[in-house]
Amino acid sequence: DAGVIQSPRHEVTEMGQEVTLRCKPISGHNSLFWYRQTMMRGLELLIYFNNNVPIDDSGMPEDRFSAKMPNASFSTLKIQPSEPRDSAVYFCASSLLGHNEQFFGPGTRLTVL
Amino acid sequence: KNQVEQSPQSLIILEGKNCTLQCNYTVSPFSNLRWYKQDTGRGPVSLTIMTFSENTKSNGRYTATLDADTKQSSLHITASQLSDSASYICVVSAGGLTGGGNKLTFGTGTQLKVEL
Repeated sequence: DAGVIQSPRHEVTEMGQEVTLRCKPISGHNSLFWYRQTMMRGLELLIYFNNNVPIDDSGMPEDRFSAKMPNASFSTLKIQPSEPRDSAVYFCASSLLGHNEQFFGPGTRLTVL
Repeated sequence: KNQVEQSPQSLIILEGKNCTLQCNYTVSPFSNLRWYKQDTGRGPVSLTIMTFSENTKSNGRYTATLDADTKQSSLHITASQLSDSASYICVVSAGGLTGGGNKLTFGTGTQLKVEL
C-alpha cells in the first residue's frame, strides 16, 4: 500500500502566482480531507469530500482557495493568486466513510515569496 | 466555541523515562478523541481513537485515557525512546456521525524531545 500520495513535496512560488497541490488518496478510501498546518495555528481542516462530493468547505480561508475531486483517486487544492501568508504545509488525508481513522500524506511545504 | 488545549507546549525527557501529555477540550456534542504523533517533516499518524464509552486505550508503549465528565484526556508514554521525539496532537470530533461527517477541533500539540 503506497499510502496517501501528495505532490509536489515542496513548492516555492512568488506572490500572485497560481499554485496547485495534488493528492492521491489510498485506494478504496472514499473520504478525502485537505489540511493546512502552520506554527501559529497548528492543523486546520480546510475542506473534505465524501464520495468525491465536497461536504464542508467552511475551513477554506478565502475565495482564492478552491478544491476539486474529479474522481475517487485524485484531488487538487488550488490557490490563485497566492500570497505570502499562504505559506504553510498542506496535508491531504483519506479514510473510509464511517471510519474514524484518517491516513495522512507526507504534505506539501508551500513557500510564497 | 469548540476548543482543544494541550499541555505542556513542549517537554524534554531522558530516554527510558515515562511522561504524560494532557488534553482538555470544550467540544460539544462529543463524538471521539484521537491522539496523533507527527514526526518532523511527516504527516500525523494515528495512535489511538476513543469514543465516549472508552476510558483507556493502549497502543504499545502509548496509553491514552479519557474522562468524558471532566473533558480531559492524557497520553502516557512508557519507557521513552529517542524515536518518540515528535509532536503529539490531540483532536476532538464533534457531531453524531463517524468518519468524514465529524467536525474536527485540533490542539496545537505538545513537542516532545527525548534525549540520551
